[in-house]
Amino acid sequence: AQKITQTQPGMFVQEKEAVTLDCTYDTSDPSYGLFWYKQPSSGEMIFLIYQGSYDQQNATEGRYSLNFQKARKSANLVISASQLGDSAMYFCAMRERSGYSTLTFGKGTMLLVSP
Amino acid sequence: GAVVSQHPSRVICKSGTSVKIECRSLDFQATTMFWYRQFPKQSLMLMATSNEGSKATYEQGVEKDKFLINHASLTLSTLTVTSAHPEDSSFYICSALRRLTGGNTDTQYFGPGTRLTVL
Repeated sequence: AQKITQTQPGMFVQEKEAVTLDCTYDTSDPSYGLFWYKQPSSGEMIFLIYQGSYDQQNATEGRYSLNFQKARKSANLVISASQLGDSAMYFCAMRERSGYSTLTFGKGTMLLVSP
Repeated sequence: GAVVSQHPSRVICKSGTSVKIECRSLDFQATTMFWYRQFPKQSLMLMATSNEGSKATYEQGVEKDKFLINHASLTLSTLTVTSAHPEDSSFYICSALRRLTGGNTDTQYFGPGTRLTVL
């Protein structure tokens, strides 16, 4: 079974609107971390946001927020007020305690922001 | 700004030659670095975990004699693709483990990647 599932291969959003990128995960570890990275066409992976499994509140970083629903094992990324520069590939990743800091990545979602 | 650099950003070589890619952590020490490979329109595939002062840990199916990893200092890890062949053409990207600013966990910060083309 896939550990990280991103069901949306591609998403379109208009500038200034909000968009949600889906991510579900599968683990039996009680302690884990969830990460989102952005990969523009240049190739660099840019860290966006982190959510720990024991964190009581949803993580937020500027226009990025993580909708963490532990019981559903989902960690959706919400981007508010989309900008043209947000067009990129977005990857959800998980680190399990048993994984010694290694990350398991989802297949990614390509986000296109239109004017 | 960038916290991890990678060099070269792009390399084209002939089949049979070896290519060395450098990954450096900027302004911090990284005892652990990671090497990934990414094919077009696909996700990252972990190749190996590089630990300073010890042998790298390779993922299943990754040939350690083919992809030599050296982590000789706390700021530098190198990946050498030996006797490269066209099927080794790919995007190689490294990351370094660093404590999140203001946080109590480590996260991986990635370099800009190296595009290798083997003719």
